[in-house]
Amino acid sequence: GENVEQHPSTLSVQEGDSAVIKCTYSDSASNYFPWYKQELGKGPQLIIDIRSNVGEKKDQRIAVTLNKTAKHFSLHITETQPEDSAVYFCAAIRGVRGYNKLIFGAGTRLAVHP
Amino acid sequence: NAGVTQTPKFQVLKTGQSMTLQCAQDMNHEYMSWYRQDPGMGLRLIHYSVGAGITDQGEVPNGYNVSRSTTEDFPLRLLSAAPSQTSVYFCASGPRNEQFFGPGTRLTVL
Repeated sequence: GENVEQHPSTLSVQEGDSAVIKCTYSDSASNYFPWYKQELGKGPQLIIDIRSNVGEKKDQRIAVTLNKTAKHFSLHITETQPEDSAVYFCAAIRGVRGYNKLIFGAGTRLAVHP
Repeated sequence: NAGVTQTPKFQVLKTGQSMTLQCAQDMNHEYMSWYRQDPGMGLRLIHYSVGAGITDQGEVPNGYNVSRSTTEDFPLRLLSAAPSQTSVYFCASGPRNEQFFGPGTRLTVL
């Protein structure tokens, strides 16, 4: 079945540095790739997404890139701030019997140190 | 809008007990899902629903039941709790691709 691998599992950066999280997926039919941020004690929150007909998307300090040929996509956070510290999950959509099922990566714990 | 609400926030059960985790959304979303989150494993889909009266199994459905009698509510039932069901449970709803998550229920089975 569909599998999403996410790296690294933990990432520590200094405030102001950039952070990059990478994911690969196995199902070439996947066409939607969201990223979620989960703060301690809360549910995941969608922060950015990208569709298969787009190679890159930016939203202020956050950007996502997609390489469909290589089946990988990445999250880039620039000018990191302490409030960016959280667990980040990538996901890929696989359609199953009329339902677009999200397959999640295992998560990356990002720590931004002042 | 309250978004997606879940109750209770915390629950401790003994092995063999049953209980229902409640989930409600006020956004009129068709799609609702239940996930469990375990350390190092991301979120895994338990059951999902594409509309009132329609449910289906996800990746890890064993030991859980669901029903969807209304658009708003999607309860998850544990029939006979086992220690392997100790986890954090998230309910989500969405119009299709995008999913909005509730705050979660932390369940411990002793």
